[in-house]
This record gives sequence, C-alpha cells and structure tokens, in this order.
Amino acid sequence: NAGVTQTPKFQVLKTGQSMTLQCAQDMNHEYMSWYRQDPGMGLRLIHYSVGAGITDQGEVPNGYNVSRSTTEDFPLRLLSAAPSQTSVYFCASSALAGERMEQFFGPGTRLTVL
Amino acid sequence: AQSVSQHNHHVILSEAASLELGCNYSYGGTVNLFWYVQYPGQHLQLLLKYFSGDPLVKGIKGFEAEFIKSKFSFNLRKPSVQWSDTAEYFCAVNAKGSGTYKYIFGTGTRLKVLA
Repeated sequence: NAGVTQTPKFQVLKTGQSMTLQCAQDMNHEYMSWYRQDPGMGLRLIHYSVGAGITDQGEVPNGYNVSRSTTEDFPLRLLSAAPSQTSVYFCASSALAGERMEQFFGPGTRLTVL
Repeated sequence: AQSVSQHNHHVILSEAASLELGCNYSYGGTVNLFWYVQYPGQHLQLLLKYFSGDPLVKGIKGFEAEFIKSKFSFNLRKPSVQWSDTAEYFCAVNAKGSGTYKYIFGTGTRLKVLA
C-alpha cells in the first residue's frame, strides 16, 4: 500500500513550457485534490475531484487543468508555465468527499519556473 | 466564501513551555475541523480531527484541540513542547460549498522549539 504518490519530485521549467504533475493513490479514495504551498500563504486549493469524471475548481485554478478518468489518478497540467507557478505542489486524497475523513498527502513536487 | 485564519505565523518557545495556536474559521454550516503538522522536508500529517461530540479532542504526540462553536475557533494546545515539535502547523476546515465538500487550509504557523 503506497498511499499517495507524486512524480516528479523536482522539476525545472522555462516560461511557456507545459507539463503534467502526476498523482496516484491506491486507497480507493473518491476525493482527490491538488494544493500549492507558498511561504506565508499556507496551502491553497487548486482543483479537486469527488470521483472519476467529476472535477471542480478550488481557490487558485487559473493556469492549471485537471482530469479524473480513473479513481486512482489525478494529474495536474500546467498549460503554459509562468514564474508565478514556482511552488511546491501537494496532491491529497481522502476516503469520501464531504465525509469526516482525513486527507492523505503525497510527498510533493517542487517546481521552479524560470 | 469559507476561510480559515491562523493568527500566529511564527512562534518560538523553549522546551517544556506550553503551546496554544489559534485557528478561526468563517463558515456557518456543518464543518469538520483538522490540525495537520508538517515536519521539515516532509509532507503533511494529521494531528487530530473534530467531527462532533466532545469538543475537546486529543491527537497524537500529546496535542489536543478545543472546538468552541460560538467563537468559530479550534485552537491547538500542548502542555509541554519538545524540540521535536518544531514544525509547521496547519488548521483546516472541511465544509460543504457549491454542492460538494472541499478542504480549506489556514496559512500555517511555524513553530520553533529551542532546546
């Protein structure tokens, strides 16, 4: 049982490049989400999903796309990277959307956009 | 829109001192409340959670939190901190909005415990 996995752990992009951050969980969790963590700003919700085929925007969705074709995977796409997207990205999952379960976090992806 | 406020951004304590970190949320509906901890270089882990019932909840490593509904608060406490408690602490709310639940985190409190 690997929990929540994220790849890559580190990534450097140039402005304008696109890329996909991968997230997978093996706990059969319906709820998955992406956060970015910036100094002094805590974790800000980018997008979340309550099940396969269902996604919704969080607090800071601009510049990011998500899809949820399977229960296990929830990739985050940066369409055209900007320096403002330099951050640490965390994926998380929990057992039931809206239920009283804790979120399990992945190890994070540290992204630098030059 | 729902939000979570953590008033203390940086806290420095000596070992054995008592700790209280404030957390307030703004949401009038049903909420579940959490405290997470992030040790240096690691991902977030759950410290404790409140769903219903006894407003005083106990978590791991001697931490506890009290839910005061009238004050929309969920403050974290520990009677005697240790050097190993040096970490960043996040309060989070899981509330229903726009038809689905989502988690909202506070900005975090960075705790440094001096040996």
